[in-house]
Amino acid sequence: GQSLEQPSEVTAVEGAIVQINCTYQTSGFYGLSWYQQHDGGAPTFLSYNALDGLEETGRFSSFLSRSDSYGYLLLQELQMKDSASYFCVKSSASKIIFGSGTRLSIRP
Amino acid sequence: ETGVTQTPRHLVMGMTNKKSLKCEQHLGHNAMYWYKQSAKKPLELMFVYNFKEQTENNSVPSRFSPECPNSSHLFLHLHTLQPEDSALYLCASSPGSSGTETGELFFGEGSRLTVL
Repeated sequence: GQSLEQPSEVTAVEGAIVQINCTYQTSGFYGLSWYQQHDGGAPTFLSYNALDGLEETGRFSSFLSRSDSYGYLLLQELQMKDSASYFCVKSSASKIIFGSGTRLSIRP
Repeated sequence: ETGVTQTPRHLVMGMTNKKSLKCEQHLGHNAMYWYKQSAKKPLELMFVYNFKEQTENNSVPSRFSPECPNSSHLFLHLHTLQPEDSALYLCASSPGSSGTETGELFFGEGSRLTVL
């Protein structure tokens, strides 16, 4: 069954901030990653959280709360090129499991 | 250029054909993976190889047969496929033995497979 839950679609306005949430099952949990995938392209790695707290990389930040089995990806100063699918990904002892993905659409 | 190269990028085959997908990574990584991405479904892990040894087979039908001759090359041999096997097949690699240390996988552009 699905061990990660994230919204299927999110719409936001150019220049705004958007948060994509992800909850996961805790069995064997090591860390939570985020990937971006544009239509027709390969998934590309954005961030990884193994410990609680916020990791910031430019306009993108990722947060993890292990006690809540919850994380999010925060995208600031949205640009049209950020329109893509975003996947939260759970790492365990021997597997890397992808969520279903959130399709982010950005309006001018 | 991601450092992981997949060929062919597009493949159309009949149900009785035999074909192979190829993946090559130039990153010096120790682990390689096959994922299947179907429309409106999450990426499904198929196989994992660590140091050329298969460490994961995620209940994949035997009509998919992986081969890893060395740490840089990974193949997926296809035979007697079904139309529902049409999907994007993605190859990935990671530095560590399982990729869990940093959660980072390096993906190829994928092979788009259509089974008629």
